[in-house]
Amino acid sequence: EAGVTQFPSHSVIEKGQTVTLRCDPISGHDNLYWYRRVMGKEIKFLLHFVKESKQDESGMPNNRFLAERTGGTYSTLKVQPAELEDSGVYFCASSQGQRRTDTQYFGPGTRLTVL
Amino acid sequence: AQSVTQLDSHVSVSEGTPVLLRCNYSSSYSPSLFWYVQHPNKGLQLLLKYTSAATLVKGINGFEAEFKKSETSFHLTKPSAHMSDAAEYFCVVSDQGSDYKLSFGAGTTVTVRA
Repeated sequence: EAGVTQFPSHSVIEKGQTVTLRCDPISGHDNLYWYRRVMGKEIKFLLHFVKESKQDESGMPNNRFLAERTGGTYSTLKVQPAELEDSGVYFCASSQGQRRTDTQYFGPGTRLTVL
Repeated sequence: AQSVTQLDSHVSVSEGTPVLLRCNYSSSYSPSLFWYVQHPNKGLQLLLKYTSAATLVKGINGFEAEFKKSETSFHLTKPSAHMSDAAEYFCVVSDQGSDYKLSFGAGTTVTVRA
C-alpha cells in the first residue's frame, strides 16, 4: 500500500511568488492534516480536513495560506505571496479516523525555501 | 494547552549500547503520547503510542517507552543501538478536546558510532 506522498520534495522561490504544495493521502483516509516546521522550531499543526471539509484551520498563520481538498482526495496548500518566514518543511499526514487511537501517517515533507 | 519537552537535542551512542531519549509533558488531563522517528529524506514514522492502556508501551524496532504520570515523563529506550537507529526522534502529545491535533517536541537527533 502506498504511503502519503508529497510533491515537490523541494521548492525554491523568490519572495512575492506563489507556490503550491500537493499531498496525496493514503487511499481511503478521510482525514488529512498539514503541519509545518520552520527552521529551528517545533513541527506545528496547520489544519485538518475531513473529506473535503476544513474541520480545523486554527494553525494557519495568515490569509496568504490557502488549503483545498476538492473531491476529498488529494490536497493542495498554496502560499501567495510567499514571504521569507514561510521557509520550512511542510508535512502532510492522513488517518482513517480522528480519535487518539487513529495513527497519523506522515509524508516525507516538502522543503520550501523563500529567497 | 498540552506541550512536550525533549530534554536532549542531540544524543550520541555507540552501536550495541542502550539508547535513552527523554521526554516530559505537561497536560491537565490524561494525555495520549507518541514517539515518531524521521530518517533522512523519509516521512515521520510512528514508533509507538500510549493511549491510557498499559503504561509500558512496546513499539517497532525494539523501542519501548514508559508512561509515568507522577513524573510527567514518557522516555524512549532501546537496549542496544543499531546503526540504522540514527535519525531524529519526536515526542508528541495530542491536544485536549482535539485528539487529532498533535503537538511536537523540538526533536532529538541520534547519532550512532560504530
